[in-house]
Amino acid sequence: ETAVFQTPNYHVTQVGNEVSFNCKQTLGHDTMYWYKQDSKKLLKIMFSYNNKQLIVNETVPRRFSPQSSDKAHLNLRIKSVEPEDSAVYLCASSYLDRAGNTLYFGEGSRLIVV
Amino acid sequence: GEQVEQLPSSLIVQEGASVLINCSYTDSASVYFPWYKQEPGKRLQFIIDIRSNMERKQTQRLTLLFDKKTKHLSLHITATQPGDSAIYFCSASNYQLIWGSGTKLIIKP
Repeated sequence: ETAVFQTPNYHVTQVGNEVSFNCKQTLGHDTMYWYKQDSKKLLKIMFSYNNKQLIVNETVPRRFSPQSSDKAHLNLRIKSVEPEDSAVYLCASSYLDRAGNTLYFGEGSRLIVV
Repeated sequence: GEQVEQLPSSLIVQEGASVLINCSYTDSASVYFPWYKQEPGKRLQFIIDIRSNMERKQTQRLTLLFDKKTKHLSLHITATQPGDSAIYFCSASNYQLIWGSGTKLIIKP
């Protein structure tokens, strides 16, 4: 099956803990993304990454960092979670095309910070 | 920077009715406009797109209209079904994709 796979689907943790979300795509795409979807369903790009370039949304706090071993994997690490980090984190992939291309999304990883 | 506004924010219609979702953007350099759908509990998925050199695109029950002069798009869904209940997102891309705030559509059986 070709798709975007995220783990875990759900995670509850305490303020100050470290959390990692994993993402793998089997679509052969060269670019991967992490989005944050808040409780109002608003989508915010956090990172986009391909073999050549990491683009970081300047509004993303430094406790968030992407980690990639190859073009099929892009993990998200949160060093010390805060209550406002509670959200659904969506991983996506696509072919890099400056003119625009279709994104394929994973099912999301819901983070609850208590 | 680019802003994408989407209206209405929510919509409830009877099954079989048609709906119209409007979207406007600010950056005249945007060239690509994909729409996505997020059904409850499911992944966000692409449904239709249009490029700035086109005025209209249709696929099955979806028609997407694009007006470059007014920087406006509208998504028309005909013969709605319960499975159309979802949040619909418009977006605009000039290399970076900017998203609208979504339209929550509820189809009443």
